[in-house]
Amino acid sequence: EVQLVESGGGLVKPGGSLRLSCEASGFSISSYSMNWVRQAPGKGLEWVSVISSSSSHIYYAASVKGRFTISRDNAKNSLFLQMNSLRAEDAAVYYCARDRSGEISVPDLWGLGTLVSVSS
Amino acid sequence: QHVLTQSPSASASLGASVTLTCTLSSGHTSYAIGWHQQQPGKAPRYLMKLNGDGAHIRGDGIPDRFSGSTSGAERYLSISSVQSEDEADYYCQTWGTDYKVFGGGTKLTVL
Repeated sequence: EVQLVESGGGLVKPGGSLRLSCEASGFSISSYSMNWVRQAPGKGLEWVSVISSSSSHIYYAASVKGRFTISRDNAKNSLFLQMNSLRAEDAAVYYCARDRSGEISVPDLWGLGTLVSVSS
Repeated sequence: QHVLTQSPSASASLGASVTLTCTLSSGHTSYAIGWHQQQPGKAPRYLMKLNGDGAHIRGDGIPDRFSGSTSGAERYLSISSVQSEDEADYYCQTWGTDYKVFGGGTKLTVL
């Protein structure tokens, strides 16, 4: 079955760090750009970051630039998001999403999400 | 950077048709978008990619009750024979060279 499964969410204090993982199955991520998208409670979708298939292009939303780092391990078929200096406003469900191709475009496969809570 | 504008809410009767609208900001009216559906308590699901010329590519398993069309800066998602399971939030999304952006979403209520 083609799917994405996120893990690594949890409760962290403001200023703390967390590393999210996304494991793909049923396909190889090496051919696709991959994204992180988040959704704060009761709010809409917010794009966080994208990494191209070869990691040659990496982009971030202004709200996380300098604090979050996206990476991938094509050999392990996995995507990661290192989140540092976390703030209350980073609390959200974080989704991993696959783009339709190796180039940056439309996500066509979404994971189930992992919840990140930021509170003292 | 793009801004995508969606009406916050829409409604349709069971079995009827409904069209949702996503408006691209000035200067970006030729851009393609994606439509995504998010049912209550679930993860988003990709519906289709919609090009500026109106051509659209539905995702695997998406019924042909869902279709897309274009007029200028407007991108439309039409749903025919609305079902109860179509009650959801619908998001449009587009991208530039180094960013992506989502619209605010439209909550569709099935009456």
